[in-house]
Amino acid sequence: GDSVTQMEGPVTLSEEAFLTINCTYTATGYPSLFWYVQYPGEGLQLLLKATKADDKGSNKGFEATYRKETTSFHLEKGSVQVSDSAVYFCALSPFGSARQLTFGSGTQLTVLP
Amino acid sequence: DVKVTQSSRYLVKRTGEKVFLECVQDMDHENMFWYRQDPGLGLRLIYFSYDVKMKEKGDIPEGYSVSREKKERFSLILESASTNQTSMYLCASSLWGTTDYNEQFFGPGTRLTVL
Repeated sequence: GDSVTQMEGPVTLSEEAFLTINCTYTATGYPSLFWYVQYPGEGLQLLLKATKADDKGSNKGFEATYRKETTSFHLEKGSVQVSDSAVYFCALSPFGSARQLTFGSGTQLTVLP
Repeated sequence: DVKVTQSSRYLVKRTGEKVFLECVQDMDHENMFWYRQDPGLGLRLIYFSYDVKMKEKGDIPEGYSVSREKKERFSLILESASTNQTSMYLCASSLWGTTDYNEQFFGPGTRLTVL
């Protein structure tokens, strides 16, 4: 079945550092890929998405590129802020499915001032 | 502003009790979902519903049931709570779609402790 593997956390960075959170997936066909973020005490919010190979999703300074050849969707940000501290989830939705998401295990990010 | 609300943020129940978790969305969405979130496991789908009175099992339905009598409301039921059901429960909703993905909107979660 479909699966998503994220890099192990937690990740601790200083403010203005470069962030990479790795995500790889296993799926048949051409899934859509997503990053969700969960701030402390809140539900998940969609951060960005990409629906086909070589698409780049971007939002709030975060970017991720859908790489079919490496089945990856790594999340990056050039300069993190304390307010970026949260749990980040990589997820996929099978092609043609508007319903189900398969999530990775989540990566806790803490940014120190 | 889109909104998904859950009836409780924190809940403590005893083993064997019947537990109801309620979720309400105000976006007229067709799809609704119940997930549980556990450290190191991410989110796992328990049940989802794509229409009133319709439901489908997710990845971990054992020990749970659901009810959707109205479009805006989706209830998760633990018939006889057990300690291994201690977890964070998240509700989500989305528009019905065909070939394109529709964003899922999440509630704040209910942290359930079963003693």
